[in-house]
Amino acid sequence: SAVISQKPSRDICQRGTSLTIQCQVDSQVTMMFWYRQQPGQSLTLIATANQGSEATYESGFVIDKFPISRPNLTFSTLTVSNLSPEDSSIYLCSVGEGAQPQHFGDGTRLSIL
Amino acid sequence: GNSVTQMEGPVTLSEEAFLTINCTYTATGYPSLFWYVQYPGEGLQLLLKATKADDKGSNKGFEATYRKETTSFHLEKGSVQVSDSAVYFCALSVHNAGGTSYGKLTFGQGTILTVHP
Repeated sequence: SAVISQKPSRDICQRGTSLTIQCQVDSQVTMMFWYRQQPGQSLTLIATANQGSEATYESGFVIDKFPISRPNLTFSTLTVSNLSPEDSSIYLCSVGEGAQPQHFGDGTRLSIL
Repeated sequence: GNSVTQMEGPVTLSEEAFLTINCTYTATGYPSLFWYVQYPGEGLQLLLKATKADDKGSNKGFEATYRKETTSFHLEKGSVQVSDSAVYFCALSVHNAGGTSYGKLTFGQGTILTVHP
């Protein structure tokens, strides 16, 4: 299965700033996904990032707040903009090909002061 | 739409006890079913999967059978260990008749398992 590296593993940010999270995969993949896990909650899909096209956002998530880049088949970034305490969560990227199960990075633990 | 419902937690067991975590689902299309595990401070790891009715997924002593008639995918283990303490998520993804996944995973709310020595 693919090895997925996420950076940073954790961060503490000030309100109103932005944080960019990187996701690097050790093989080329078509589909990459970004999820949010709020404290004590399950995972919610933010968006699907396919190389060469705009990300597809789920209901309740907008590009201005969560801009995503997907410059090639092994890399993606998620930016969480204009941070507020409600953005304190774990953000995870995952990859999946066809009918294969998705595999996840270790996540980025974000806290907002 | 698609949804996954897990049994309410948390679950607390003694070592070597039998574990069942219930999971039921609703889905349009052809669902594949998964159990993921999240150990403290870590990301999600795939525990097991089943891609069609009556398939049994198994790994590390855990098992789950895809029951289409009851739309269930209950997780079981005959003898839990302290090291099994984690959060367990049931999830599904839907694919078309040709087997191509639409990609999105829909998760249950997670069940916290604590195993005491």
